[in-house]
Amino acid sequence: GENVEQHPSTLSVQEGDSAVIKCTYSDSASNYFPWYKQELGKRPQLIIDIRSNVGEKKDQRIAVTLNKTAKHFSLHITETQPEDSAVYFCAAFYNAGNMLTFGGGTRLMVKP
Amino acid sequence: DAGVIQSPRHEVTEMGQEVTLRCKPISGHNSLFWYRQTMMRGLELLIYFNNNVPIDDSGMPEDRFSAKMPNASFSTLKIQPSEPRDSAVYFCASSEGARQPQHFGDGTRLSIL
Repeated sequence: GENVEQHPSTLSVQEGDSAVIKCTYSDSASNYFPWYKQELGKRPQLIIDIRSNVGEKKDQRIAVTLNKTAKHFSLHITETQPEDSAVYFCAAFYNAGNMLTFGGGTRLMVKP
Repeated sequence: DAGVIQSPRHEVTEMGQEVTLRCKPISGHNSLFWYRQTMMRGLELLIYFNNNVPIDDSGMPEDRFSAKMPNASFSTLKIQPSEPRDSAVYFCASSEGARQPQHFGDGTRLSIL
């Protein structure tokens, strides 16, 4: 099946700095890659997604890049704010199983 | 839209008891997913339905777990008998299709004593 690895598992940055979270996937046929943000005690919420026909997508301070050849994709958060502190999950659509496989999560802490 | 609705939000029960978790997907969504989240294992897919039909239940831990979707607007996840190791947050999610954004409910925090 699909294997999604996410790094780092924890990330601490100073407010205003950038944060980058990276994920790799194993199924070369995967073509949908969402990112979720989960605040403490709350549900995962979709923040951005990308499909394999594009290499980059931006939404204000958030951007996602995709390298299909290398089978990795990354989340970039610029000008981080304390409210960005949360656990972030990447996921890849596993074609053979027709379902999403999630990475292990990254706990992002933004220090004021 | 009210989003994905799960009930109960919290459940505390003694081991051996039957537990039933409920989910109402977003209207018009034809895919429904049950996940379990723990610190040790992260977010695990238990089972998913497409058009009310179970497609993949390979994530269901064992026979004590069962899930049903009798119609497009309702699904249950049942654990019988429950054990302390089943303690976790159980999320239900729905989407317009398998390759579409999944919208999560607020989860059920289950504690088995």
